[in-house]
Amino acid sequence: GAGVSQTPSNKVTEKGKYVELRCDPISGHTALYWYRQSLGQGPEFLIYFQGTGAADDSGLPNDRFFAVRPEGSVSTLKIQRTERGDSAVYLCASSVSSGSGSYNEQFFGPGTRLTVL
Amino acid sequence: KQEVTQIPAALSVPEGENLVLNCSFTDSAIYNLQWFRQDPGKGLTSLLLIQSSQREQTSGRLNASLDKSSGRSTLYIAASQPGDSATYLCAKWGTDKLIFGTGTRLQVFP
Repeated sequence: GAGVSQTPSNKVTEKGKYVELRCDPISGHTALYWYRQSLGQGPEFLIYFQGTGAADDSGLPNDRFFAVRPEGSVSTLKIQRTERGDSAVYLCASSVSSGSGSYNEQFFGPGTRLTVL
Repeated sequence: KQEVTQIPAALSVPEGENLVLNCSFTDSAIYNLQWFRQDPGKGLTSLLLIQSSQREQTSGRLNASLDKSSGRSTLYIAASQPGDSATYLCAKWGTDKLIFGTGTRLQVFP
């Protein structure tokens, strides 16, 4: 079956612009995660959704970052007034469900490489 | 605060060598530990998942162990091949998110 897909694969924008990054999870996966990976670093957690609601958004760096998942499937990560420091690879992952103390394997998409000039 | 540390940061070896990649974590209350592979410009591919009740997992030439008392996990790669060249990431499950190390960049040359 289809895996997690992310669009666009690459996005180049200018400082101060608004961008949207899309994630299509595996069908039937109720949990969806966004991570950000800077050059030479491991991915860092941003936000996770259980269904339509953001269960944990503690990783969002500031209020310029926002994510939605209105129908419990596709998610969009939105970044306002982009800064050069936002340049990174944004990874999305999904799993069948999520819960405190229990882990269901996360499946990752190929990522969106965002470059802010 | 670096919760997950990977050593070495980079490794270059000739084909055929057996390798050891190390991962250490500060919080012993670990639920699960997972090893991933990442090729340049690509997403993450899961290699091995060790449940908290397990001590090791094996898949082909890969073997991962978990020692919660010492806060360490080790990934063994037997008889390395050039196709094993990639970045290897370990991640622990932190209640509701994966917490990653910074990775080990492996290059296996013919």
